[in-house]
Amino acid sequence: KQEVTQIPAALSVPEGENLVLNCSFTDSAIYNLQWFRQDPGKGLTSLLLIQSSQREQTSGRLNASLDKSSGRSTLYIAASQPGDSATYLCAVCYSGGYQKVTFGTGTKLQVIP
Amino acid sequence: EAQVTQNPRYLITVTGKKLTVTCSQNMNHEYMSWYRQDPGLGLRQIYYSMNVEVTDKGDVPEGYKVSRKEKRNFPLILESPSPNQTSLYFCASSFLAGSGELFFGEGSRLTVL
Repeated sequence: KQEVTQIPAALSVPEGENLVLNCSFTDSAIYNLQWFRQDPGKGLTSLLLIQSSQREQTSGRLNASLDKSSGRSTLYIAASQPGDSATYLCAVCYSGGYQKVTFGTGTKLQVIP
Repeated sequence: EAQVTQNPRYLITVTGKKLTVTCSQNMNHEYMSWYRQDPGLGLRQIYYSMNVEVTDKGDVPEGYKVSRKEKRNFPLILESPSPNQTSLYFCASSFLAGSGELFFGEGSRLTVL
């Protein structure tokens, strides 16, 4: 069974700092990995999608990397802003004969002005 | 506007009273799925559908039913709700299950008394 872990569970940083969020998964047989942000009481907003054949994806101040062999992905946020405060979730789509999606429990980020 | 729409957004019901949460997408996506989100447990997949008339169990299917009679709709049915089904529910869709980006609805907060 695929297990997805996100460390740390919570993170507080001063505005302007660069930061890295981590996501690890136990089974490397994946189609893709997706990063989301969730604001309190809201739905999930897709940030970046990395296909299994890709090493990284970039969007603005965000960069996500994928190392399938080691079961790891990182989300790099450059020059953090208070508006980046949210919970960040990674999700792995498993390719082993059926296409279930497993989420990590998230990292709650607070950016302090 | 491309979107996934869930209804109702909020519902309080009593044990045993059948209810249906509707989900509709206007993006002609083949893949649709349901998740529940609980504190400390993260998002867990309930059911998913690869296409019309094709559905499969996720990690926590007990107590739920789904159907996929049309491509755009994927209702979640609770035949006899119990208090342990009190949760925040999300519907999601993607163009292709394995390679597609997941788009989420706004969520449905269900309370079973």
